[in-house]
Amino acid sequence: QKEVEQNSGPLSVPEGAIASLNCTYSDRGSQSFFWYRQYSGKSPELIMFIYSNGDKEDGRFTAQLNKASQYVSLLIRDSQPSDSATYLCAVIKSGYSTLTFGKGTMLLVSP
Amino acid sequence: GAGVSQTPSNKVTEKGKYVELRCDPISGHTALYWYRQSLGQGPEFLIYFQGTGAADDSGLPNDRFFAVRPEGSVSTLKIQRTERGDSAVYLCASSFINPGLAGSSTDTQYFGPGTRLTVL
Repeated sequence: QKEVEQNSGPLSVPEGAIASLNCTYSDRGSQSFFWYRQYSGKSPELIMFIYSNGDKEDGRFTAQLNKASQYVSLLIRDSQPSDSATYLCAVIKSGYSTLTFGKGTMLLVSP
Repeated sequence: GAGVSQTPSNKVTEKGKYVELRCDPISGHTALYWYRQSLGQGPEFLIYFQGTGAADDSGLPNDRFFAVRPEGSVSTLKIQRTERGDSAVYLCASSFINPGLAGSSTDTQYFGPGTRLTVL
């Protein structure tokens, strides 16, 4: 089992729709969870972090964490073509200080 | 500075050569991380510094890779006898404090633009 798993996609949604990106992780003791956005040829850019079970909203983005199910998701409301990128889920495992990344999910938002 | 900076942005070298990649973290950030990203993959951890010392170097693939951070700020990743398989984007990130305070905003890592290394 991979430590952080994401569907590689691409996930295609029309402009204005809700995009739902999912991530599962294997280390039950993990406490810190991050979503990064990466445009082609660019470095990862932090979108959101979440530490507690439940939802966290920031503008059009909502992160959801369910530690019992070891599941993290990112919802993007009113998707825009500029949201087209690869979304990386990352976790800090218990006892570590470094990020463990999934392979990323490519999101394509069509006008 | 305003963000993490890395130099050079691109480096092309020949197999067997030595290369150095530089990272300048966000001012005041005590923790510095090196990751490597291959095409189609997420970044993979290489080494992590807290201050001047390497707190975790378990991600370094072999002894051809070495990194230093002598004054607790700028870091240099050094690769000896480069191989074609070393070709990747090398990313540096920094954060404010050792995330021993797990689950706090202080463990958020901010990435630099990366150095694209090509070994011919």
